[in-house]
Amino acid sequence: DTAVSQTPKYLVTQMGNDKSIKCEQNLGHDTMYWYKQDSKKFLKIMFSYNNKELIINETVPNRFSPKSPDKAHLNLHINSLELGDSAVYFCASNPANTGELFFGEGSRLTVL
Amino acid sequence: QKEVEQNSGPLSVPEGAIASLNCTYSDRGSQSFFWYRQYSGKSPELIMFIYSNGDKEDGRFTAQLNKASQYVSLLIRDSQPSDSATYLCAARTNAGNMLTFGGGTRLMVKP
Repeated sequence: DTAVSQTPKYLVTQMGNDKSIKCEQNLGHDTMYWYKQDSKKFLKIMFSYNNKELIINETVPNRFSPKSPDKAHLNLHINSLELGDSAVYFCASNPANTGELFFGEGSRLTVL
Repeated sequence: QKEVEQNSGPLSVPEGAIASLNCTYSDRGSQSFFWYRQYSGKSPELIMFIYSNGDKEDGRFTAQLNKASQYVSLLIRDSQPSDSATYLCAARTNAGNMLTFGGGTRLMVKP
């Protein structure tokens, strides 16, 4: 019974394509995030949603568009993929006012 | 830019030794600090958090915080090969719910 689940786990695609990653959490948390982890293990926040509303939008190209249909789901759509988008994308959630993030298993995106 | 810095390592220690992992942060508004462990190919998981200056112990782990020096550390006593992982330090300000992560330190515990 996975708490934060994201799909797919692996994506391999060509430059210029569009792809989506889905995330769902069953923990009842109000806040969800997308983080990007590059090959050097740097984990950088991309977006934060609180109860379906965008709270944080770090400096991310507008080719990346998050969408939260409800507070349990936060999807990430990426247009016109570039080589530099290759990374592991983690979805996470947390209870209000805590720093304990619950991460999904990650989605490894490889752009060829 | 608000940053959290860690030595990338690898830090290699023999089994049974104390591993000392260090982290510095630039934002003086940071109020709470977190250590996450990430095994290769897996997602990060929380080990400990600390809010107050001083030491906080949990089993073999001790987190240390010095806000004046903007320094956080994690000590792992009696290191085990299963402790081999990347350890991520993160800082959070009370102004928001956002964690800023360091680049992680890779720890290798050799039998």
